[in-house]
This record gives sequence, structure tokens and C-alpha cells, in this order.
Amino acid sequence: DSGVTQTPKHLITATGQRVTLRCSPRSGDLSVYWYQQSLDQGLQFLIQYYNGEERAKGNILERFSAQQFPDLHSELNLSSLELGDSALYFCASSVVSLEGFTGELFFGEGSRLTVL
Amino acid sequence: AQRVTQPEKLLSVFKGAPVELKCNYSYSGSPELFWYVQYSRQRLQLLLRHISRESIKGFTADLNKGETSFHLKKPFAQEEDSAMYYCALLSSGSARQLTFGSGTQLTVLP
Repeated sequence: DSGVTQTPKHLITATGQRVTLRCSPRSGDLSVYWYQQSLDQGLQFLIQYYNGEERAKGNILERFSAQQFPDLHSELNLSSLELGDSALYFCASSVVSLEGFTGELFFGEGSRLTVL
Repeated sequence: AQRVTQPEKLLSVFKGAPVELKCNYSYSGSPELFWYVQYSRQRLQLLLRHISRESIKGFTADLNKGETSFHLKKPFAQEEDSAMYYCALLSSGSARQLTFGSGTQLTVLP
């Protein structure tokens, strides 16, 4: 499967802990986007990387950080976790850069984080 | 700032009935609007975009700039249309970002 892959699918942890979510974009896609999906707020854009560089930031907390590596996979690091961080975290990719983005994103299946 | 509002979290219709999923937006520039869909156990995927003026799986959506709306419509709903639907707005300019609404869960009853 050459689609967007995310690991882990499910993660349960305790408050105050730190987790790392991993995403591999579709083959050939240079842009990676992270979204948080919660019951109350729908899909919230967190951050975008293009070819290893941060390109756009959304509603990402300071406790969260991300990076994109030379092989184009990306990691989202969530630290000092709180109960409210429980959500489904999606990664998406697109082939073009920020300026040429046409609006079509290819999503992974998501990583469901539960903070107890 | 851009905003997308989907006023209905849940919407239920009977099979064969018309369905309309509402979407309103707020954006000062020239918007491009999209509908994304997530069927059960499938990934979120693009359903249609307003600039292509296409009908996908019987769904259409018209951009109404006067009412700042982009409602998704289908004249005869099918059970397989049951899914989560997200309206999204793509901003113009050099930083083109996709902003999603909160989504509407559509259930088509038999």
C-alpha cells in the first residue's frame, strides 16, 4: 500500500507522559500535514511540512512539536499530555508545495490517542 | 481569519429522500470550497470541489457567494451515503491552507 501510513493506530497513556506519532506520506508526496480530530472541534490543522521544512502552523500547542525527516516521514511529538489531548490525530500528504496546493489531501487512517 | 461552519453535527434521512448538508464560510478573499467524506472504516477522502462543478456519486454543491454557503445536496439518498462529511475552504494567496468544518454525520435510514 503506497498510501499514507500512520503508526501506532491506537495509543493509551497517562497524563504527563510524552508520545510520538509517526507518519509516512504517499510515495512522491513532499508535503505532510497534521490534523487533530476531536468530538467538539472537528478537524483542526496543527502543522505542515514541505520537504523537511516547516511551512505553516495552525492551532498547535507549545507542548506539541513535529518534524519531517530526509526520507520525508514525519513525527508528531506530544508532551506533558493532558486529558484534553485525547483525540484522533491524522496525517495527510499532498504532492505539491504550499503555493501550488490545489486542495486535495490524502489522509492516513489516524492514530487514536487516549490519555488517562 | 477563515472559518467554516457546519451547523448540523448529526443528520438523518430516509432512503430515497433528498438530503442537504449545510456549510457556511467566512473568508475575505476568493474561496475555493471542497467536500470531504469519510465512510465507515475508510480514510477521509475528497468528494468534490466547487471549481470543477461536477457531480460525484449523485452529490452536487454550488458555491453561493452572496450567502457564503456551499451546501452539499443529493436528490435521492442511498444507504451507502451514510458517512461523515466535512466542508473545507482553501485560502488563496501564497499560504494556501485548508480549513475544515466540524463535520456532519449523515445517516441514511432504510
